[in-house]
Order: sequence, then structure tokens, then C-alpha cells
Amino acid sequence: DVQMTQSPSTLSASVGDRVTITCRASQSIGNWLAWYQQKPGKAPQLLIYQASTSDIGVPSRFRGSGFGTEFTLTISSLQPDDFATYFCQQYNSYQWTFGQGTKVDIK
Amino acid sequence: QVRLQESGPGLVKPSQTLSLTCTASGGSISDNNSYWSWIRQSPGKGLEWMGYIFHTGTTYYTPSFQGRLSISLDTSGVQFTLTLNSVTAADTAVYYCARGWREYDDPGARFDVWGQGTVVTVSS
Repeated sequence: DVQMTQSPSTLSASVGDRVTITCRASQSIGNWLAWYQQKPGKAPQLLIYQASTSDIGVPSRFRGSGFGTEFTLTISSLQPDDFATYFCQQYNSYQWTFGQGTKVDIK
Repeated sequence: QVRLQESGPGLVKPSQTLSLTCTASGGSISDNNSYWSWIRQSPGKGLEWMGYIFHTGTTYYTPSFQGRLSISLDTSGVQFTLTLNSVTAADTAVYYCARGWREYDDPGARFDVWGQGTVVTVSS
């Protein structure tokens, strides 16, 4: 199965910062990648799918990019509501796998 | 928009069987784009997709759970159930039901609707 590796595991940032999270796949997955945001005690929420398509209602400061094996999630200007954990997930095959998560906390 | 809600016991003894139910409201589970899934999250293993059931009854279980996991559809048509046999402490986790949404040309599914999650502890 395809392994997904996120970096960094933890990221400390301030409100207004530009933040970039990377997700690497162990083999090419085309653009079949989704990003989720999870806040403590809550279920993950879909942010981005097909690597760069925003789900309904997702603020424009969240942007996804990449193809093949390397993907990024960029938050252009970090807001207080954005401190959370972010996960990537590939769905290039019949077996769907998640990255281990990147926690964005307050610097 | 469909909403999902998990229910079931919060505590299960080792070697016993865990059963959780997911109830869908506000929409049908009988469409050709939805793969009704169970996903669990434990501190040691992050988010782990366990498998799905399609509205026709077709199932898929990931290799990690083959032989121990069963997902079934309730006759009501609005519930699906996870059954996990021979549980151990390693099965302690938050369990989520989720909709895997697969558009016609997609090779797989993204998870666009999630239940709130239910905490399951395996302990004697």
C-alpha cells in the first residue's frame, strides 16, 4: 500500500504567518490527494481534494498543490481558527491511506 | 446534506467483540458515489481507514483487519454496523464512521462527511 509521510510533525507559527505543510507519497498517486483539518475532540473536516480543489465553504487562504509524490498545503495568512492538526490522505487506488498528521500550534 | 452519528459501548473487554452502529440522517445511503466507511484514530497510529460497505452490500476491508472485521448494512437502510472480533488493548481508539465520496472517474474516495466519533476502550 501507499505510505504517506507528512512534514513537519509539529509547526509553531503566529497569526498572520504563511504556513506550508508537505505530504510525500511512497509512489506516484497523480493528484488523488485530500487534506483534512482536525481540532481537538472533533472529527476531521475535508479541506481540499484532488490535490488543489477546495471543498465547499473552505476559506481561500487554504491552498493545495502538487502532483505525483509531493504535495503541499499552504495557509497564506494563519488565523486563530487555523491552529489544528492537518492530515493528508491518498485515494489513488482501492486502498486509502492517511499521513500521520502535522500539528500547527501557537508560537 | 447527510449527517452521521456513531453509537455503541464505550468499554469492551479483551477478546470480546466490538459492535458499533452508524446512523445516517438527512440523506440516503443508497447512492452510487458513497462508500460508507469506518476510520479509527489512536495516539499510536493516527488515522486508520478500516474498510467500507457500498449500498449494494459490497465490502472491502484493509489487510490489517481482514478476518477480524465485518461491516454490514441494516435492513432499515439508514444504518451500517462495524463488528470487530477478538479485540485487544491495541483496538482502543476513537472510531469514526464517514462517507467516502467517489466521483465516477476517481480511483478512490475522499471522506467528506464524518460522524463525531465514539471513544472505545478495551480493558478488563
